[in-house]
Amino acid sequence: GQQVMQIPQYQHVQEGEDFTTYCNSSTTLSNIQWYKQRPGGHPVFLIQLVKSGEVKKQKRLTFQFGEAKKNSSLHITATQTTDVGTYFCAIKAAGNKLTFGGGTRVLVKP
Amino acid sequence: DAGVIQSPRHEVTEMGQEVTLRCKLISGHNSLFWYRQTMMRGLELLIYFNNNVPIDDSGMPEDRFSAKMPNASFSTLKIQPSEPRDSAVYFCASSLQLSTDTQYFGPGTRLTVL
Repeated sequence: GQQVMQIPQYQHVQEGEDFTTYCNSSTTLSNIQWYKQRPGGHPVFLIQLVKSGEVKKQKRLTFQFGEAKKNSSLHITATQTTDVGTYFCAIKAAGNKLTFGGGTRVLVKP
Repeated sequence: DAGVIQSPRHEVTEMGQEVTLRCKLISGHNSLFWYRQTMMRGLELLIYFNNNVPIDDSGMPEDRFSAKMPNASFSTLKIQPSEPRDSAVYFCASSLQLSTDTQYFGPGTRLTVL
């Protein structure tokens, strides 16, 4: 079935630095969603991207959908300890079900 | 407004026992999804329902797993008999409609099968 790859699998970031995590698909996507899961918590919806080249911002988080709608990125500026967690992208496969990527686990060094 | 409610939050059982996980949807939501999360396999969709009807159960690992939705607001996931490899965190999530993309996850049930 349709799959999505996330890189990197782990991201160790110094507090205050920026980082980017990527989500790649081999097929063109109708849309892509991003979720965040804090340690011990549950996935929480962050945002959905639909249009080619779309860029959306949530405070220090910037989400982008690729022009070919095959990839997406999440960029976090001035990382804080509250950014710790696993960030998942998710794509809609046949039948309206979501397929989640493997996630990028973010650890912040104070 | 209450979110998705799951019970129990933690379950420890012995191999061979029956396990029942419960989920209450957000009021007014019509679609229900059961997921399993492990370190090895990540977040996997097991089954989902729309308007109480199972739509796709292709993710259910084997016949030991079954899910029901007896009414519009409640679902159960049953494992009988349970095995140690079933140990995982089980999440249910609901969405307003099947075509609505945002899914709201419950807190999960951490299952340990000894």
